[in-house]
Amino acid sequence: GQNIDQPTEMTATEGAIVQINCTYQTSGFNGLFWYQQHAGEAPTFLSYNVLDGLEEKGRFSSFLSRSKGYSYLLLKELQMKDSASYLCAATDSNYQLIWGAGTKLIIKP
Amino acid sequence: IAGITQAPTSQILAAGRRMTLRCTQDMRHNAMYWYRQDLGLGLRLIHYSNTAGTTGKGEVPDGYSVSRANTDDFPLTLASAVPSQTSVYFCASSDRLAGGDEQFFGPGTRLTVL
Repeated sequence: GQNIDQPTEMTATEGAIVQINCTYQTSGFNGLFWYQQHAGEAPTFLSYNVLDGLEEKGRFSSFLSRSKGYSYLLLKELQMKDSASYLCAATDSNYQLIWGAGTKLIIKP
Repeated sequence: IAGITQAPTSQILAAGRRMTLRCTQDMRHNAMYWYRQDLGLGLRLIHYSNTAGTTGKGEVPDGYSVSRANTDDFPLTLASAVPSQTSVYFCASSDRLAGGDEQFFGPGTRLTVL
């Protein structure tokens, strides 16, 4: 079956670094997305990885290992506005997105 | 209009009633999607459309129907609503179905079926 696993909730301190992990099992694989979703709002795109390695975009970086079925999202210099849910989604062989349940990130002062 | 709009924002519906959720995008995207999001579960794809005139079934299509008469509009219809269809519904669009094109999401419709 197809499955995405990510932690349900994480807590971090303002100014710190946090890593949100995601493992996936899909029928075929055509890339992995990370989205951010603030409470009561729509998801918004953060990153897309199709090749192994690290993609850096400002304070956010995303890593992919295709052989391990593993990705992580790294958030640096955490700010209170980073409190949100972070959704991992893998693209299967039909280019449909299979979504994880999301990781709720709580930032404490 | 900028991006994707959905209507209504929220709705309370009696079981057995018919309901259409509206979705309109102005980005001229080819692909459009309907998802439902329930607490503790990931977004689940209900139906999608690669391009105007074509539709496909997603992971949870039962009880829902869609149409894609033109590029901009992608309405979702619940023919006879049931309480298990209580959820937040998101419409999304992307330039293409395939590839790494990001999906842009509408603000969502919060539907309660009693």
